[in-house]
Amino acid sequence: DTEVTQTPKHLVMGMTNKKSLKCEQHMGHRAMYWYKQKAKKPPELMFVYSYEKLSINESVPSRFSPECPNSSLLNLHLHALQPEDSALYLCASSQSSGGGTNEQFFGPGTRLTVL
Amino acid sequence: DAKTTQPPSMDCAEGRAANLPCNHSTISGNEYVYWYRQIHSQGPQYIIHGLKNNETNEMASLIITEDRKSSTLILPHATLRDTAVYYCIVRVGWGAQKLVFGQGTRLTINP
Repeated sequence: DTEVTQTPKHLVMGMTNKKSLKCEQHMGHRAMYWYKQKAKKPPELMFVYSYEKLSINESVPSRFSPECPNSSLLNLHLHALQPEDSALYLCASSQSSGGGTNEQFFGPGTRLTVL
Repeated sequence: DAKTTQPPSMDCAEGRAANLPCNHSTISGNEYVYWYRQIHSQGPQYIIHGLKNNETNEMASLIITEDRKSSTLILPHATLRDTAVYYCIVRVGWGAQKLVFGQGTRLTINP
């Protein structure tokens, strides 16, 4: 299984809502990533988890809260978002240790609209 | 991570080879060249990577110059499904490292 799944595919939320994005992989990867992609722009890294520990936070506002409950799951909790947070949110996974190709496998993304 | 420069757009006829260039003149000795592509509204897809030798897989070939300051991704027989944005990224090859995407090249395959 070389697939990263993300749910939901689409999400519309108000600025006062609390919602969560979910990402799952069963490739035995120990690194997982959240990227954000605005329209017509390249993806930008938000967070990296390595062995279930947060290793990189690209100065993301606290209204985005990542969580890695186990090696297969990655969540992104959303609270009090702004309309400018509307974007495609991409999850990826890869091997964490050295060696191998270490390529990142991406999910299809969650398209988020904040009203 | 080193910066890369790619042409913003390219066109190629279906069935012909598509050659996508990338400049990475500040690449370090321990950095690899990775290529990803993103078909419209999908997640990026890994294509190929290399350090200094030319590489080939079932999707593409990667040609890296001897001084490693530039590379070319070759899609040998382009199809309409190869229409996508292609990203050239340089980074170290180990560990949980972020990918820094540039603007990429929008490749359009024409029938």
